[in-house]
Amino acid sequence: AQSVAQPEDQVNVAEGNPLTVKCTYSVSGNPYLFWYVQYPNRGLQFLLKYITGDNLVKGSYGFEAEFNKSQTSFHLKKPSALVSDSALYFCAVRANDYKLSFGAGTTVTVRA
Amino acid sequence: DSGVTQTPKHLITATGQRVTLRCSPRSGDLSVYWYQQSLDQGLQFLIQYYNGEERAKGNILERFSAQQFPDLHSELNLSSLELGDSALYFCASSVALAGGGDTGELFFGEGSRLTVL
Repeated sequence: AQSVAQPEDQVNVAEGNPLTVKCTYSVSGNPYLFWYVQYPNRGLQFLLKYITGDNLVKGSYGFEAEFNKSQTSFHLKKPSALVSDSALYFCAVRANDYKLSFGAGTTVTVRA
Repeated sequence: DSGVTQTPKHLITATGQRVTLRCSPRSGDLSVYWYQQSLDQGLQFLIQYYNGEERAKGNILERFSAQQFPDLHSELNLSSLELGDSALYFCASSVALAGGGDTGELFFGEGSRLTVL
């Protein structure tokens, strides 16, 4: 069975500061890893994914994520956060069974 | 706009009733996923269809059923509704790969908010 853990329910940062949202996963075989963002009253939007190759993946809106196989982690990062980055962020993992399993989500608040 | 259309956006009904939620995937996407989002359960995978066939099943109750039609739209049927079924139901579609399967990158609709009274 596959699972995703997002250890922080909330992350608060000041605008302009680095933003990190943590994610660890458990899956049999090679993982497909994803980050999605959800704004209030909206559906989820794809940010980035890791399937294979370079451990540092760049995505939309200046976000990037680093795959660490030994730590089974896939943390989302942004060097300089914006107030508009305030949203709910989901990490997701998929194995060979096609099911995409989401973490519980992390609420990011960026204060001006 | 993701290109995935869900109807209705809001639905209020009573316990014991049956409702149908409809989803039209993005043009060209063969995979359709259904998810339930609630405050206490988070985002739960229900079921996935690929080109009309059921591909993966998650935590879908026996009272719930789904299908994908030849035109690739999908419907999620919820019956004998209970208060706990109140949630936001999302449909998502995914880009198909040439050899079958999909990329796993999902495009979500805006959701159907179901309230059971």
